[in-house]
Amino acid sequence: GEDVEQSLFLSVREGDSSVINCTYTDSSSTYLYWYKQEPGAGLQLLTYIFSNMDMKQDQRLTVLLNKKDKHLSLRIADTQTGDSAIYFCAASGPDSSYKLIFGSGTRLLVRP
Amino acid sequence: DVKVTQSSRYLVKRTGEKVFLECVQDMDHENMFWYRQDPGLGLRLIYFSYDVKMKEKGDIPEGYSVSREKKERFSLILESASTNQTSMYLCASSTPHGGYEQYFGPGTRLTVT
Repeated sequence: GEDVEQSLFLSVREGDSSVINCTYTDSSSTYLYWYKQEPGAGLQLLTYIFSNMDMKQDQRLTVLLNKKDKHLSLRIADTQTGDSAIYFCAASGPDSSYKLIFGSGTRLLVRP
Repeated sequence: DVKVTQSSRYLVKRTGEKVFLECVQDMDHENMFWYRQDPGLGLRLIYFSYDVKMKEKGDIPEGYSVSREKKERFSLILESASTNQTSMYLCASSTPHGGYEQYFGPGTRLTVT
C-alpha cells in the first residue's frame, strides 16, 4: 500500500526560507496535502495539490510536486516563529481517495 | 466556517473502563474518520464511516468500535480501555467530492491508568 515518508526535524532561523520534504510510493495518488499541527491542537489544512500540477503558490507557501520522483515539498518563505509546528504530508489514492495516508510529520523549529 | 468538535480535550480513565469519544461536524460531510496519533508514528486510521450506519475498519481497529447514528456525529468506543490505548485521538470529516481534504477536530488526549 501507499507509504509516505518525511524527515523528522528541521531547524531554521527567523526570516530564512524553510523547505520540508516528503516522498510517497503510490504514483497514482490523486491529491497530496500539507497539514500543520500546533502544540496541543488538531491538524489544520494548509494547502493541497492535484497530481497533474507541478507547483502551487499561496502567499508565503509554495508546493512543488515532482511526480516522476514521487517527491513533494513545502517551502515557507520568510519563516516566522509562529510557523514553528509539526507539518504533515498526506497522500490520497485513486481507489479510495477519501482515505489519506499521512507521513510521520516534520517538526519545524524557528530560531529567533 | 468549517467546524469539527470533540467532546473532551483531556480524559483520564482506568484500565477496563468503557470509554466514549464523541465527534460532531457541522459541514454536512458524508465521511468521518477516527485516528490516533503517537510520537514518531504519525496518524494511524482506526475506523472511518462514509454514511450513516456505515463503517469500515482502518489500519488499527483492534480494541475499538464506532457508531454513526446521525450524519453529523461519529463516536469512538473503547470497550475495555487498556494502557496501550493512551494516545491522542483525532476526529476528521470530509466530503467525497473535490479535493477530499479532511478537516480535523482539536483532539482528545486520553490517558489510561
